[in-house]
Amino acid sequence: DTEVTQTPKHLVMGMTNKKSLKCEQHMGHRAMYWYKQKAKKPPELMFVYSYEKLSINESVPSRFSPECPNSSLLNLHLHALQPEDSALYLCASSQDWGGEQYFGPGTRLTVT
Amino acid sequence: AQTVTQSQPEMSVQEAETVTLSCTYDTSESNYYLFWYKQPPSRQMILVIRQEAYKQQNATENRFSVNFQKAAKSFSLKISDSQLGDTAMYFCAFMKPYNNNDMRFGAGTRLTVKP
Repeated sequence: DTEVTQTPKHLVMGMTNKKSLKCEQHMGHRAMYWYKQKAKKPPELMFVYSYEKLSINESVPSRFSPECPNSSLLNLHLHALQPEDSALYLCASSQDWGGEQYFGPGTRLTVT
Repeated sequence: AQTVTQSQPEMSVQEAETVTLSCTYDTSESNYYLFWYKQPPSRQMILVIRQEAYKQQNATENRFSVNFQKAAKSFSLKISDSQLGDTAMYFCAFMKPYNNNDMRFGAGTRLTVKP
């Protein structure tokens, strides 16, 4: 099983809402990632978890709050977002020692 | 910091022909990984090919092959016998291992395969 799943596929939220994005993998990978991707741009790294511990936070605003409850799950909690946060949010996973990352299909987020 | 440059924002190729996408990178490291990822219009990012810097042999995966020139810091992707399904955004990516797996992408090349 080389699949990374993400839910929901689409999300529309107001600026005062609280919502969460979910990512799951069952490949035994110990590193998981959140990326933000704007249209026609490459993915931008937001967070990296390694062995369920946050190892990289790329100066992401606090309105984005990651959580790694276990080695298979990764959440991204959203609160008080801005319209410019509208984007495709990609989750990925990899073996901790390096190598290729496997990406999920993404969540298309629209902030109104 | 490592940078990855893809100088061709858009390219097109006729079906069944060969096309080469360019990528250059800047690093002072000697050990690293390079990747080409494909993102079709359906959005899911798929790994096309990977290359370890310590390997001199160029990686190949079926119709996809790379020309890895370590001294020149160049990593081009050749697609042979192009198919309509190859239409996608292609991203070149650089990663230093054992560095929190921090992977950096180039700006991408949009490839269109024409029938």
